Amino acid sequence: EAGVAQSPRYKIIEKRQSVAFWCNPISGHATLYWYQQILGQGPKLLIQFQNNGVVDDSQLPKDRFSAERLKGVDSTLKIQPAKLEDSAVYLCASSSLPRGIGNTIYFGEGSWLTVV
Amino acid sequence: DQQVKQNSPSLSVQEGRISILNCDYTNSMFDYFLWYKKYPAEGPTFLISISSIKDKNEDGRFTVFLNKSAKHLSLHIVPSQPGDSAVYFCAARSGGYQKVTFGTGTKLQVIP
Repeated sequence: EAGVAQSPRYKIIEKRQSVAFWCNPISGHATLYWYQQILGQGPKLLIQFQNNGVVDDSQLPKDRFSAERLKGVDSTLKIQPAKLEDSAVYLCASSSLPRGIGNTIYFGEGSWLTVV
Repeated sequence: DQQVKQNSPSLSVQEGRISILNCDYTNSMFDYFLWYKKYPAEGPTFLISISSIKDKNEDGRFTVFLNKSAKHLSLHIVPSQPGDSAVYFCAARSGGYQKVTFGTGTKLQVIP
């Protein structure tokens, strides 16, 4: 079974520029998550999709971050304009339904962003 | 508001001994707890989980204990191996949409 795919793996941009990350979840997984992990901290949920609908984006800085999941499969996360504090690893993850024992979320390798 | 806390940023253990990683939480609505392991330059990988209706779950060398009254869980690794050296994240799930909240992680070093 193929895992969660993310691209690009690494990106360096200047502040005020824009960047986009792409994620392809595990086939059949209805739930897709974007997490931000700053060095030395745990992953922080930015946005959670159930199919192509948003169920939680309470921690997404909506003035600069946006995400979409068209057709309930792939997703993109965009940052515009980027700030220095956006330097982090952006982790995409997915999980299947229904909710139950043993259900867990699976992560991609992450997209490493450095803003200079 | 840090709902999941891992108060030990690092831990060193001799190979063959027991590693105990601790995690505390504040939200009584969490119904499922997970441990993830993360190597450098890789995404976190699922290790073991426990439902809030249980107090212990075991999988090979890994055992997770849950004390609901204390809002505390721990991961035991016995015996510890050098390949276990990684950052371990405690996570907790809540809500109908399975929102998962992570702790800050504990870096485990197993010394040969």
